Amino acid sequence: GAVVSQHPSRVICKSGTSVKIECRSLDFQATTMFWYRQFPKQSLMLMATSNEGSKATYEQGVEKDKFLINHASLTLSTLTVTSAHPEDSSFYICSARDASGRDNSPLHFGNGTRLTVT
Amino acid sequence: AQKVTQAQTEISVVEKEDVTLDCVYETRDTTYYLFWYKQPPSGELVFLIRRNSFDEQNEISGRYSWNFQKSTSSFNFTITASQVVDSAVYFCALRSGGGYQKVTFGTGTKLQVIP
Repeated sequence: GAVVSQHPSRVICKSGTSVKIECRSLDFQATTMFWYRQFPKQSLMLMATSNEGSKATYEQGVEKDKFLINHASLTLSTLTVTSAHPEDSSFYICSARDASGRDNSPLHFGNGTRLTVT
Repeated sequence: AQKVTQAQTEISVVEKEDVTLDCVYETRDTTYYLFWYKQPPSGELVFLIRRNSFDEQNEISGRYSWNFQKSTSSFNFTITASQVVDSAVYFCALRSGGGYQKVTFGTGTKLQVIP
């Protein structure tokens, strides 16, 4: 089945530094990828929709200068948390849909990245 | 606007009991897709099932079954003869048929199966 690889799975960084999270579709092309954030014991909240070759579409309340998204190829999207602060600590999950798939094909999710900012 | 409601925050059952997880959705779209995902403690999301709005047939897959009723906007999930390995958070999700097709998740139901 389709696989989405997300790296790193865990990262600890100091406040003020930037962290990049990668999301790769391994065996399919994904023109659109989605980035979600999940706080402990809460649901997944969509942060932004990443489109290959164009600017990302951010959800209301998400700072685009804080969470930089780049979707440079059909198989890779990156999320950079800039000048991270402890409140950015969370579980970040990316997802992708096979661009050649049927309209009802499911989103395939990465295994998530647990970010801890100290 | 889309909305998914999972009213049950946490459920505990004894192993081998049956359990039903409720999901109610709201959408103005006539074409939409419903999903269930499982999130074990390790964090990854495991796809369980998808259903499109034109297919109201219920589905059974092993110990899992799903009941889709458009009349009540519900897409409930039943686990028969629950096992400890079923312990996880289960998310119901909704995706509209057009646009970028972003997915809206419910708040999740944490299922604990007690041995």
